[in-house]
Amino acid sequence: GENVEQHPSTLSVQEGDSAVIKCTYSDSASNYFPWYKQELGKGSQLIIDIRSNVGEKKDQRIAVTLNKTAKHFSLHITETQPEDSAVYFCAASIPRSSASKIIFGSGTRLSIRP
Amino acid sequence: NAGVTQTPKFRILKIGQSMTLQCTQDMNHNYMYWYRQDPGMGLKLIYYSVGAGITDKGEVPNGYNVSRSTTEDFPLRLELAAPSQTSVYFCASSRDSQNEQFFGPGTRLTVL
Repeated sequence: GENVEQHPSTLSVQEGDSAVIKCTYSDSASNYFPWYKQELGKGSQLIIDIRSNVGEKKDQRIAVTLNKTAKHFSLHITETQPEDSAVYFCAASIPRSSASKIIFGSGTRLSIRP
Repeated sequence: NAGVTQTPKFRILKIGQSMTLQCTQDMNHNYMYWYRQDPGMGLKLIYYSVGAGITDKGEVPNGYNVSRSTTEDFPLRLELAAPSQTSVYFCASSRDSQNEQFFGPGTRLTVL
């Protein structure tokens, strides 16, 4: 069936180091891949997204890469800061005749050590 | 703009009780979604709507109902609450399926 796998489930990095979260998707028709950040007790917020016609996108310290052949995409956070601590979700949108379907990964809890 | 608002923030139900979780957005978005998030787990889609008068099932629709009589509102109904429905419920909206989803703050529901 359609699914998105996300790894790792937890990640702890030293402040200033980089963090990488990886996702794989099953449906090759997926064409839109957003990443969301969920801080404690709050709803999720989009931090970056990428469409299937692009291989890489960067926004300041955050970048996302997409490998359509391998059906995986990754989130890269450089120069991590304490405020980066949160749960991160990847997602893949699958177009359908009536409406696209978005499937979320299971989340990665990122902790930044001071 | 208030964005996506949800009420209530917290609720405790007894088994068999019913309730409606409210969701409203003021961004004139066509798409609206209901997710549940169990502890340590990702978001699971319950129902979604692509416009007023149109709703469709997501991954885990059993035990829930929705309606979309207006663009702004997308209430989620639990008819016979069960302990398995203890979760945090998030409502979201988007302009379409290829743009970001804006999330509400969530409703924490406990069924005892």
